[in-house]
Amino acid sequence: QLQLQESGPGLVKPSETLSLSCTVSGASIRSSTYSWGWIRQPPGKGLEWVGTLSHSGSTYYNSSLKSRVTISLHTSKNQFSLTLSSVTAADTAVYYCARRWNYYETSGFETHFFDSWGQGTLVTVSS
Amino acid sequence: DILMTQSPSSLSASVGDRVTITCRAGQSISSHLSWYQQKPGKAPNLLIYAASSLQSGVPSRFSGSGSGTDFTLTISTLQPEDFATYYCQQSYTTPTFGGGTKVDIK
Repeated sequence: QLQLQESGPGLVKPSETLSLSCTVSGASIRSSTYSWGWIRQPPGKGLEWVGTLSHSGSTYYNSSLKSRVTISLHTSKNQFSLTLSSVTAADTAVYYCARRWNYYETSGFETHFFDSWGQGTLVTVSS
Repeated sequence: DILMTQSPSSLSASVGDRVTITCRAGQSISSHLSWYQQKPGKAPNLLIYAASSLQSGVPSRFSGSGSGTDFTLTISTLQPEDFATYYCQQSYTTPTFGGGTKVDIK
């Protein structure tokens, strides 16, 4: 059974770097059927996509965060990670890691969606 | 980025009601749309993908329709466990989510 588990500090000081890991069990992060992503949710607000990492290591980031975010693959540990630099209070959120299913139909239609999520971890930016 | 607009932002309904939530994309996204359910303190849960395909394990009272710019999530007969917030998400370009629709008890 697939499980994703976020881990990392729950409190980060302003201007410092937020670092989170997502440990995947029940599936290989090297599978080409899937990519892996981070989504965040500020308290009481909606969902915001942060970025996605393919099995090959290609990355795609939210343009509003692109200069500050890095997502990396750690295949030996079956993990992927998120770093977000120069954080401010606006980065306070629950951070979710998720599996992105790269879905293909025989008709040729291709799409993708997040079919499995971690439980989320609250990161607060405060001095 | 493609703007996703959900309506209404909240609604009150009773058990047994038929509920419809609308999601409009800022440009055509074909069928690259998913719907998620989120309960308080929990991660989102995938309900519908490719606009109308029901995710495995999701009750058949949930259905999705639409293509292009206008999409609908329908709950045919609202159950107590369906009171939650619902989000649409497009994957035509870099992902964006709608603002959410909170379904609460009338």
